[in-house]
Amino acid sequence: EVVLTQSPATLSLSPGERGTLSCRASQSVGSSLAWYQQKPGQAPRLLIFDASNRATGIPARFSGSGSGTDFTLTISSLEPEDFAVYYCQQRSNWLPTFGQGTKVEIK
Amino acid sequence: QVQLVESGGGVVQPGRSLRLSCAASGFTFSSYAIHWVRQAPGKGLEWVAVISYDGSNKYYADSVKGRFTISRDNSKNTLYLQMNSLRPEDTAVYYCARDLRGGPAPIKGTFDYWGQGTLVTVSS
Repeated sequence: EVVLTQSPATLSLSPGERGTLSCRASQSVGSSLAWYQQKPGQAPRLLIFDASNRATGIPARFSGSGSGTDFTLTISSLEPEDFAVYYCQQRSNWLPTFGQGTKVEIK
Repeated sequence: QVQLVESGGGVVQPGRSLRLSCAASGFTFSSYAIHWVRQAPGKGLEWVAVISYDGSNKYYADSVKGRFTISRDNSKNTLYLQMNSLRPEDTAVYYCARDLRGGPAPIKGTFDYWGQGTLVTVSS
């Protein structure tokens, strides 16, 4: 099983600041990595798939990068609605697994 | 618009069974693999199972293998999860989620649309 480790656990930022979230895989997953956003009481929402492709309707301030074992989700300028928990997820070796999440909170 | 609506959750005693349903609309249900993903209270996400677009392929997480069965009825646009021998650690919100890739192509394992979830509580 591929283990995904996200850092930091909590990111305290102000609106307008840049947010950088990391996800490290225990073995290479190629570019088979996705990012999701989840707000309290809501289902997750797909942001990025295949490491760097924005999902339908996702604003351009969200971008993904990386390959192999190290991946990054960048939010270029945080909007009030971006404060949430973010999960990375891989799908290689046919056992999808998620990271433990990074909470982006208002500073 | 794409909609997935789960139902069937509730409180059940350990060792008992429960069947969840996921009603789909707004897309060609029979063309997409569908997954179940769960989230224990206050915890992260855990993939549970997937069924291919035509029901011919099914995969399970080790934690539920042999106890849970995923199935679908394409004539009713509905997905099911039969959960037997339930344990307290199965307590979670269960989401159904559509696979990003449609058609006969291999399952992608990325989830582009999610339902709102149904809560299953296993407790005596």
